[in-house]
Amino acid sequence: QVQLQESGPGLVKSSETLSLTCTVSGESVSSGRYFWSWIRQTPGKGLEWIGYIYYSGSTSYNLSLESRLTISIDTSKNQFSLKLTSVTAADTAVYYCARKTGSTWGEFDFWGQGALVTVSS
Amino acid sequence: QSVLTQPPSVSAAPGQKVTVPCSGSSSNFENSYVSWYQQLPRTAPKLLIYANNRRPSGIPDRFSGSKSGTSATLGITGLQAGDEADYYCGTWDNSLSSYVFGAGTKVTVL
Repeated sequence: QVQLQESGPGLVKSSETLSLTCTVSGESVSSGRYFWSWIRQTPGKGLEWIGYIYYSGSTSYNLSLESRLTISIDTSKNQFSLKLTSVTAADTAVYYCARKTGSTWGEFDFWGQGALVTVSS
Repeated sequence: QSVLTQPPSVSAAPGQKVTVPCSGSSSNFENSYVSWYQQLPRTAPKLLIYANNRRPSGIPDRFSGSKSGTSATLGITGLQAGDEADYYCGTWDNSLSSYVFGAGTKVTVL
């Protein structure tokens, strides 16, 4: 069974960088069959797709976040990571990592439990 | 405001059927598949329907999906108390080059 687990600081200061890592078990991130994704959820904006990465390192980002966003992958550790710079209170959310199937419109079939990140002033 | 439009809430009595509509546009629904996600209270979203009408292993056939033109619908029959949750539709939007979700619909069992 595929499992994903987010980890990282739960509190980030405004203007600093939010960093999260997703550890995958039960599936190799190098398999080439999936896109490894980040999604966040805020009470006000619901679910928001952040971006995804392929095992090769190619990425696709939400254009609204692209200038502040980096998603990377470490195949040796079976992990992928998210860095979001210059955060504000609007970036306070529950951040989920998820596996996305291989087509452009493919679904997110496995999700992590979520990590609450609060941006403080 | 979400690109995909869902009603904030729907409700029905136990054992009844409820439908959750999701309205999109040609930039997202055309030539694409719609997925549906169930989010029980205080848990992560869970894939319920993919490719418009397919159910992952373990999802009961009380849940169904359909798509026609720029609209999609989630159906739940034999409604149970455990079905009380938020339900989200999602698909890829070609104009935004982004995966998009509806704002979610809360299903209440009366």
